[in-house]
Amino acid sequence: QMYLVESGGGVVQPGGSIRLSCTTSGFTFGSYAMFWVRQPPGKGLEWVAFIRSDGFAQGHRDSVKGRFTISRDNYKGTLSLQMDSLRPEDTAIYYCAKANGGSYSYFHSWGQGTLVTVSS
Amino acid sequence: QSALIQPASVSGSPGQAITVSCTGTGNDVGRYTFVSWYQQHPGKAPKVLIYEDIKRPSGVSPRFSGSKSGNTASLTISGLQAEDEADYYCCSYAGSNTWIFGGGTKLIVL
Repeated sequence: QMYLVESGGGVVQPGGSIRLSCTTSGFTFGSYAMFWVRQPPGKGLEWVAFIRSDGFAQGHRDSVKGRFTISRDNYKGTLSLQMDSLRPEDTAIYYCAKANGGSYSYFHSWGQGTLVTVSS
Repeated sequence: QSALIQPASVSGSPGQAITVSCTGTGNDVGRYTFVSWYQQHPGKAPKVLIYEDIKRPSGVSPRFSGSKSGNTASLTISGLQAEDEADYYCCSYAGSNTWIFGGGTKLIVL
């Protein structure tokens, strides 16, 4: 059974920082690309960041470039998202997702999400 | 990175078929065979229904099918059931390790 469990969410002030983690089990973490996807309250899904299985290729959506950084630890099987200079519009449920094998063309498996609220 | 365009809502009666459209551009939907579709029930994580435009993961009902023509992809649900009432999202690879979602479509089963 495959598990992805996000943690680290909470309330943070505008301009502050927070670090999300995604702990995984049930699959060979180091063989798969991973993603972060977010969903603002009552709104649609937004792709946030991507990291290839070896960690050497990454992508971030334009609105978070220079503020968010995706990383991974293939030995511990964990994915992270460092979020700095947070803005109210970053308020959302953040999901980690595992890519399919090979072409990493879609989000194969998802965690249950962790809520980040940016508010003073 | 504007969102792919989906209708805000669609509706249908049990047993009928409905189609949800997803319109992008020649830089995303029209360029790559990497459109995927997700179903999300309230308070739940999304679940993949279709990947690489037309492929269905194991375990997904054959009532769900995908197609694409030019810059527009479509999800068809046949034999509509009450449990199909949910939000549906398309997503496309957009090059340079970026992805883009549609705005989402609420399916109402009458």
